[in-house]
Amino acid sequence: EVQLLESGGTLVQPGGSLRLSCAASGFSFIDYAMSWVRQAPGKGLEWVSVISGRAGSVYYADSVKGRFTISRDNSMATVYLHMHSLRAEDTAMYFCAKMNSQAAASHYYESWGQGTLVAVSS
Amino acid sequence: EIVMTQSPATLSVSPGERATLSCRASQSLSSNLAWYQHKPGQAPRLLFYDAGARATGVPARFSASGSGTEFTLTISSLQSEDSAVYYCQQYNSGPRTFGPGTKVEIK
Repeated sequence: EVQLLESGGTLVQPGGSLRLSCAASGFSFIDYAMSWVRQAPGKGLEWVSVISGRAGSVYYADSVKGRFTISRDNSMATVYLHMHSLRAEDTAMYFCAKMNSQAAASHYYESWGQGTLVAVSS
Repeated sequence: EIVMTQSPATLSVSPGERATLSCRASQSLSSNLAWYQHKPGQAPRLLFYDAGARATGVPARFSASGSGTEFTLTISSLQSEDSAVYYCQQYNSGPRTFGPGTKVEIK
């Protein structure tokens, strides 16, 4: 059974930094791209970033480009989201998701975690 | 960026009745569309990909169809556990974008 467990969400001040983690199990981690998707309070789902299985390709939404960095440790089956220069509009539940293939240009999200909450406020 | 819209925003249906959800794209997707179910406090769940291919474990009362710019998710006989928000998501081109969701309520 695929399991994705996010952690690291907390209250942070504007301009601050945070690192989210997603520990994966139940599948061959290196064979799948991984994404972060967020949901702001009362809003819908927004793709944030994706990383290919071997970490050779990464992509970011324009809203986070230059501020967020995605990475993965295949030996630990964990994907990370390093968040800098945080803004109030980054407040959201952040979900980790397993893609349908190894490529960063994968199509859809086969499995999701339950999310970790990031609140940006002074 | 492809813009996705969904209608209605909220759908109130009695148990056992049919629920029909619509999803439209700002440009043709061919069949590059997925549907997800999201219940409060839970992980979203993939229901369909490639517009109509059922994901593992999805009950047969759920079906999906469409191509181009118009897509439909149907729940043939609504059960109480189907109360959720349903999202469509395109993967035809550019950043993967989601629709705003349709909230299905049990009447």
